[in-house]
Amino acid sequence: DSGVTQTPKHLITATGQRVTLRCSPRSGDLSVYWYQQSLDQGLQFLIQYYNGEERAKGNILERFSAQQFPDLHSELNLSSLELGDSALYFCASSVVHNEQFFGPGTRLTVL
Amino acid sequence: GIQVEQSPPDLILQEGANSTLRCNFSDSVNNLQWFHQNPWGQLINLFYIPSGTKQNGRLSATTVATERYSLLYISSSQTTDSGVYFCAVERTGGFKTIFGAGTRLFVKA
Repeated sequence: DSGVTQTPKHLITATGQRVTLRCSPRSGDLSVYWYQQSLDQGLQFLIQYYNGEERAKGNILERFSAQQFPDLHSELNLSSLELGDSALYFCASSVVHNEQFFGPGTRLTVL
Repeated sequence: GIQVEQSPPDLILQEGANSTLRCNFSDSVNNLQWFHQNPWGQLINLFYIPSGTKQNGRLSATTVATERYSLLYISSSQTTDSGVYFCAVERTGGFKTIFGAGTRLFVKA
């Protein structure tokens, strides 16, 4: 158990819908990262937050947004969902900007 | 951006055999990690090793930052070692983590 928690574990929804994925970092970690893992794209970095502020953006679509709250938990919002958004979404955390620890992931299926 | 290449892409071993997995990267890095993704999808930290050598039981890793590569050694492999091994790096001065495509390992009993 890495200490990073993600909810829900599984999510099934329809095209065009909006979902929110939640992540709680390890105690004491200030940085949160989001990743998408799909069969054809591998593990892709989406976005990083540090102590509530966005620090880096990767290949995150405009339909996706994220935030980190004062208690340091983070949410990833996915809207206007498409079939291609079906993937495993991981959250990771680190103390500042070093070793990352991953949560168990949320498996999103868009039908 | 920085490129990360892992080799071999696939590896089949008999239980008890040793193996070496390689990760090449195209630019200087300040963070490098090795992960094992088990068949249930969980990403498990193996090593945080931007430079130098570390050992943990049957696994060890070496990163030669000046030559832009890292090696993961697995000795006396077990069936529970099966899964995908990923190398992930951050370019020096950057904040984006880039994963390699992984090495898929299958250990036969």
